[in-house]
Amino acid sequence: GAGVSQSPSNKVTEKGKDVELRCDPISGHTALYWYRQSLGQGLEFLIYFQGNSAPDKSGLPSDRFSAERTGGSVSTLTIQRTQQEDSAVYLCASSFAGLNEAFFGQGTRLTVV
Amino acid sequence: QKEVEQNSGPLSVPEGAIASLNCTYSDRGSQSFFWYRQYSGKSPELIMSIYSNGDKEDGRFTAQLNKASQYVSLLIRDSQPSDSATYLCALPWGGGNKLTFGTGTQLKVEL
Repeated sequence: GAGVSQSPSNKVTEKGKDVELRCDPISGHTALYWYRQSLGQGLEFLIYFQGNSAPDKSGLPSDRFSAERTGGSVSTLTIQRTQQEDSAVYLCASSFAGLNEAFFGQGTRLTVV
Repeated sequence: QKEVEQNSGPLSVPEGAIASLNCTYSDRGSQSFFWYRQYSGKSPELIMSIYSNGDKEDGRFTAQLNKASQYVSLLIRDSQPSDSATYLCALPWGGGNKLTFGTGTQLKVEL
């Protein structure tokens, strides 16, 4: 597609359930980022992929969070045993490596009830 | 010192005026800088990138970079109510692999 695509757009889940968030980057973009934005807050870096490898996982809040990227394209962010504090908008961005002009998807709004 | 710092605002300017948004950063080795605009409830949108000292103009937007003083600015000429948004400064951090954002400046353009 022409832009970064994220799915689902909205997700409501019960506390304790696992969720998977998907990001389909712009074709040809080798770098992929995940960020989290809580209501009224700034962008919180979660993880960065270059190709299929994740050289920087420093932002993952806990071991309940994991992410993978396959085929240098689609990425999945998984949150296990969700907690209410996980409620936020999860944003994915992609860029050509080295240029770092990153373009964002529309985000996934996660609500844990 | 934070990696990227911005005044949170809100910055209020009258319609037609010039809005000036500023950002300072701590990594002297940073080579590329980006401005994003984020409307309420929407995802950030890239509006300007700048890599060299000096000014870069694109329509009503001008980005200014001063590496010696470690600041980057965004000027919006002839501000319109539709420019009301949060403006985020971003730059690669940690060897260029991690795009780090400031907390953003909220701009309000008043009629």
